[in-house]
Amino acid sequence: SQTIHQWPATLVQPVGSPLSLECTVEGTSNPNLYWYRQAAGRGLQLLFYSVGIGQISSEVPQNLSASRPQDRQFILSSKKLLLSDSGFYLCAWSLTRDVGAFFGQGTRLTVV
Amino acid sequence: GQQVMQIPQYQHVQEGEDFTTYCNSSTTLSNIQWYKQRPGGHPVFLIQLVKSGEVKKQKRLTFQFGEAKKNSSLHITATQTTDVGTYFCAGGGSWGKLQFGAGTQVVVTP
Repeated sequence: SQTIHQWPATLVQPVGSPLSLECTVEGTSNPNLYWYRQAAGRGLQLLFYSVGIGQISSEVPQNLSASRPQDRQFILSSKKLLLSDSGFYLCAWSLTRDVGAFFGQGTRLTVV
Repeated sequence: GQQVMQIPQYQHVQEGEDFTTYCNSSTTLSNIQWYKQRPGGHPVFLIQLVKSGEVKKQKRLTFQFGEAKKNSSLHITATQTTDVGTYFCAGGGSWGKLQFGAGTQVVVTP
């Protein structure tokens, strides 16, 4: 069966520090991968999605970037965090377009 | 662009009662998906509807996709405390870009 791993679960980072969140999927090949952000008590905002290695589409211009160095690995990065980057970051995968997405446990990021 | 609106934002329900949450899109959707997020947890995929007028049931949950494929509803009968959480609809439009609604937060009173 397919599983998705996302770490760390919580993170407290100072303003201006770099960020690297990693997500890996097991049990499937060539998944569609997504990074979402959820502000407290709010809906999910799509940040990036990827249909294959090295193929990244950005939905929201900001100081975050994403990379997909391997088929089942998706990384969210920032060179310098802002206070407004705080939130709940969720990685998700789906088998193909137009099917349900499966989410990782999420990372609660607090920028101080 | 495509927008998905969910109402109500909050729903307080007495245990045993029924309730419905609604999802409306500004554009025609290729599909609608529903997710549940427990407090402190991550969204969990519940179901996907694809056909116009489609109705699917999961135990006490009934999901419906509108004839025009622009709206959907989730009806829960005999609410239980395990139903607590936020229910999100997500509309599928152009490639894989699910547009999530803001969610309906459900609180169940015993």
